[in-house]
Formats: sequence, C-alpha cells, structure tokens
Amino acid sequence: QKEVEQDPGPLSVPEGAIVSLNCTYSNSAFQYFMWYRQYSRKGPELLMYTYSSGNKEDGRFTAQVDKSSKYISLFIRDSQPSDSATYLCAMSAASSASKIIFGSGTRLSIRP
Amino acid sequence: DTAVSQTPKYLVTQMGNDKSIKCEQNLGHDTMYWYKQDSKKFLKIMFSYNNKELIINETVPNRFSPKSPDKAHLNLHINSLELGDSAVYFCASSQIRGRTYNEQFFGPGTRLTVL
Repeated sequence: QKEVEQDPGPLSVPEGAIVSLNCTYSNSAFQYFMWYRQYSRKGPELLMYTYSSGNKEDGRFTAQVDKSSKYISLFIRDSQPSDSATYLCAMSAASSASKIIFGSGTRLSIRP
Repeated sequence: DTAVSQTPKYLVTQMGNDKSIKCEQNLGHDTMYWYKQDSKKFLKIMFSYNNKELIINETVPNRFSPKSPDKAHLNLHINSLELGDSAVYFCASSQIRGRTYNEQFFGPGTRLTVL
C-alpha cells in the first residue's frame, strides 16, 4: 500500500462546476499537507499549503485536512478551463519536513 | 530570470550509455532535490542536498549519483542507462528554516528516453 493514495482520474467537468479532489494517507506522522498543480510538460507548482487539521481558503480554492480520517481535499469553485491540469496532493512529517511524499496526481479537465 | 533551470530539456540515448542532467537555482536556497516522475505521473524524491551535504538518499540504484559543486547547483549523473530509467526528472530547491515546511520550487523537468 502506498503512503499516499490519489484517484488518477481523469476527471472532466463543465466550466463553472465545483471540483472536489481527494487523497488518503496512512502515515499518522504527516503534519504538512500540500496541493501542487502541474500543467502539461511543466514542473509542479505549489497551490495550497495547510499545517495539521483544518480548512484554508485562497480565492476559488479551499483545502481541507481531516487528520482523524487521514483524508485531505481540495475544492475548486467556479472552475475555469485554465484550471485544467494534474493536481498532486503531497505531505510531509514534522521530523522530515523536506521529504515530501506525493500522490500520483488527478488529471482534471474543465470543459468550456 | 528562471528560478530553477535544468539542462537538457530532452535527452534521448541508448541503453548502456552514461548521461548527466544539470540543475541550477538562482533563488539563494540552501537545499536542492532530484525527483523522478514516471509515466503514470507518480513523483518520487530521489536525493536532497543541503549546503552541499546529502540529507535525503532514497532507495535508488547506485548508477545514479548526484553531485553538488555549490549551493546553487545539483547535477545528476546516471551510469549504464536502462530502459526503466525513462522518465521525467525534476530538480527542485527550497530554503530550510528549522523543522517546518519549506516550499519547494520545481524546474521545468528533463524528459529522458532510453532506447
């Protein structure tokens, strides 16, 4: 079993829809939770970062962490075609914050 | 003004050859990383150097050897290339501040194809 599990998709939704992306994990030591966005043939770029449990909002994006269930989510409101990309969840433990474990990524397509 | 750059962008080579990928960052960070992303987009850390010292060394074949001549550069040398080495290799950098999360900035990737 991988430390971080993520549905690879692909996920296709119409423009304006609310998108929900999720990951589960097995390592209870994880404290830092991230979402990276990767456009085709580009490097990943950090979208959201959350420490421990709770919610964080940034514009149309909301990240949620439920440590009791070992489950994290990214919500995208009013989705745009420019949001079409692969979304990678990632996490690390406090003891080794630099060692980031990535999910396999969910490929998202927003239809105009 | 590229923050993290890699060369070459594409690398096509025969099995058994030796090749190197170069990475440079101009962000003034003290830590650099190499990741491998396979065909299923799974991104996995290989190595990390902090101030030219190896701090993360995942289970990778000895054929892979990172070299950090200074804080701004981390090169990856691969000996005796195999078909399974075909992947996209990403370099990243970050500034470590104690035992807390530090954002990693990724380069554009080097697409390696072994024939």
